[in-house]
Amino acid sequence: NAGVTQTPKFRILKIGQSMTLQCTQDMNHNYMYWYRQDPGMGLKLIYYSVGAGITDKGEVPNGYNVSRSTTEDFPLRLELAAPSQTSVYFCASSYYRVIHEQFFGPGTRLTVL
Amino acid sequence: KNEVEQSPQNLTAQEGEFITINCSYSVGISALHWLQQHPGGGIVSLFMLSSGKKKHGRLIATINIQEKHSSLHITASHPRDSAVYICAVRILPYTDKLIFGTGTRLQVFP
Repeated sequence: NAGVTQTPKFRILKIGQSMTLQCTQDMNHNYMYWYRQDPGMGLKLIYYSVGAGITDKGEVPNGYNVSRSTTEDFPLRLELAAPSQTSVYFCASSYYRVIHEQFFGPGTRLTVL
Repeated sequence: KNEVEQSPQNLTAQEGEFITINCSYSVGISALHWLQQHPGGGIVSLFMLSSGKKKHGRLIATINIQEKHSSLHITASHPRDSAVYICAVRILPYTDKLIFGTGTRLQVFP
């Protein structure tokens, strides 16, 4: 199993551009999460999904959108990128709720200039 | 004030030393996780605790629910243990979200 995969690994965007961060898991996990990690700060939850077709906001959802059309995929969309969205983004999945181990992807380092 | 506080923020040790990393939280929780973030950035889950103590190899995690405190111990530390160790809690009432601490950066020198 590949686990949780994310693409791209690195990306530089200009202010106002849009992009989609891809996340795929092959463990048949119901729960998937998007986090951002800023220097010196703890991981912050952006959005999460408890199953295909169901998504919900986390702590810091503004400026982002998600969809969950399949169990495997949970893309994160950035519309009108801003410098404040410069961060490292992690996708994670777990079989059930957070009482189960979370498996993390390798991360995407995004810079908005 | 953050709901999850870790101490120390940075820690250096000589190979072989016994390491303790602390996590305190200010809210009611149903579970606490310890995670390890490698220098390359990857994050792996080490433990999930709701009470007592867990051990895996040289790693031991304990939690005291009454005192709202958890510790992660590393026995016989090794340079490969150098990483950021992150504490995260699942707060009550039951939610699907974790609240993360800012991490403890550990460097173990040969």
